Amino acid sequence: EVQLVQSGAEVKKPGESLKISCKGSGYSFTSYWIGWVRQMPGKGLEWMGIIYPGDSDTRYSPSFQGQVTISADKSITTAFLQWSSLKASDTAMYYCARPGLGYCSSTSCRGGAFDMWGQGTMVTVSS
Amino acid sequence: QSALTQPPSASGSPGQSVTISCTGTSSDVGSYNYVSWYQQHPGKAPKLMIYEVSKRPSGVPDRLSGSKSGNTASLTVSGLQAEDEADYYCSSYAGSSNLVFGGGTKLTVL
Repeated sequence: EVQLVQSGAEVKKPGESLKISCKGSGYSFTSYWIGWVRQMPGKGLEWMGIIYPGDSDTRYSPSFQGQVTISADKSITTAFLQWSSLKASDTAMYYCARPGLGYCSSTSCRGGAFDMWGQGTMVTVSS
Repeated sequence: QSALTQPPSASGSPGQSVTISCTGTSSDVGSYNYVSWYQQHPGKAPKLMIYEVSKRPSGVPDRLSGSKSGNTASLTVSGLQAEDEADYYCSSYAGSSNLVFGGGTKLTVL
């Protein structure tokens, strides 16, 4: 069964660091891009960025460039999203998703549609 | 890039049809046939319903259809059913490896 399983909910204080994970299974992890999507409480979806685990090629939304780091460890078929210094405004649900349909190649994912999603990781940042 | 524009809400009675619009610009929706639509029920992860403007993934009923004209894409849900009540989000490729989502539309089945 193809699935993405994310790490559990986190409660952190402002200024702390955090790394959440997304483990892929049931498919060739290094052959598909994985994206990250933020959903703030009661709000819509926001695309954060995407990584190709085969060579760690990473693209960021201009809105999130420099604010987070996306990485992947293909040896454990896991993608990561990390913060070095959290802010209260980082409080949100974070989803990883695989663009398994549409146009994606090893060098580009311009037309990728996210047909597989993780269950989400809720991150709460509060003093 | 700015979010795509969707109406905050839409509604219809069971059996009716409803169309949700998604307006972008010539830099995203207008330039690429890479528009997707997602359905999200409360507390759940989004689910892909339409990709590449009008294609349906396996398992998605043909009551859902997508189209595009100029800078505006549309999702039509025909034969509305109670289970269609959810939030719907469009997305589009926006060039330079960027993707942009719409603000979302809450569909209510009356």
